[in-house]
Amino acid sequence: DGGITQSPKYLFRKEGQNVTLSCEQNLNHDAMYWYRQDPGQGLRLIYYSQIVNDFQKGDIAEGYSVSREKKESFPLTVTSAQKNPTAFYLCATFDSGANYGYTFGSGTRLTVV
Amino acid sequence: EDKVVQSPLSLVVHEGDTVTLNCSYEVTNFRSLLWYKQEKKAPTFLFMLTSSGIEKKSGRLSSILDKKELSSILNITATQTGDSAIYLCAVVMYSGGGADGLTFGKGTHLIIQP
Repeated sequence: DGGITQSPKYLFRKEGQNVTLSCEQNLNHDAMYWYRQDPGQGLRLIYYSQIVNDFQKGDIAEGYSVSREKKESFPLTVTSAQKNPTAFYLCATFDSGANYGYTFGSGTRLTVV
Repeated sequence: EDKVVQSPLSLVVHEGDTVTLNCSYEVTNFRSLLWYKQEKKAPTFLFMLTSSGIEKKSGRLSSILDKKELSSILNITATQTGDSAIYLCAVVMYSGGGADGLTFGKGTHLIIQP
């Protein structure tokens, strides 16, 4: 089945640790995105990538980093510089072709302990 | 600054009622407006609306965009408990080479009571 796989579903991080969230897609979409969702805040854009080896900061990029070495993969690292990382993280891809629109993964819930 | 505002932020109604959710926007280079339903995890796509003003329908759900008022409404008739969810509105801005990303509203949390 074509789709987006995010892992893990739940992640616990200790203060001061870096953690990496995985996002893999087999939809052959060029553009990929990371969003953060907090209660009452809707979705906010962290980073996006429109092509391999290129990515851009979104509205709330501080404390996060990404890479795009392969078309299928867009991992997000939450660094220790992110002071309030507890949130629900969603990865998405965008199809600019015949099936125009966004597809979302199932998300990763990150909790700082 | 691009802005998408949804109202109400939460709504509780009884099964069988009709509800109208609102989304207004102030963005540059508007391309389209998307509605999503989010129950527990990934948002699922409902409708895409453009400045054409054409109403979209799917079963008991319908939506239309008013390009003069820079707003859209999502109607749900004969609501059921399965309609309980967060409804997200998002605006796509045209970048010339694709889409830079979506600007989301905060969502409307809809609860349908039996």
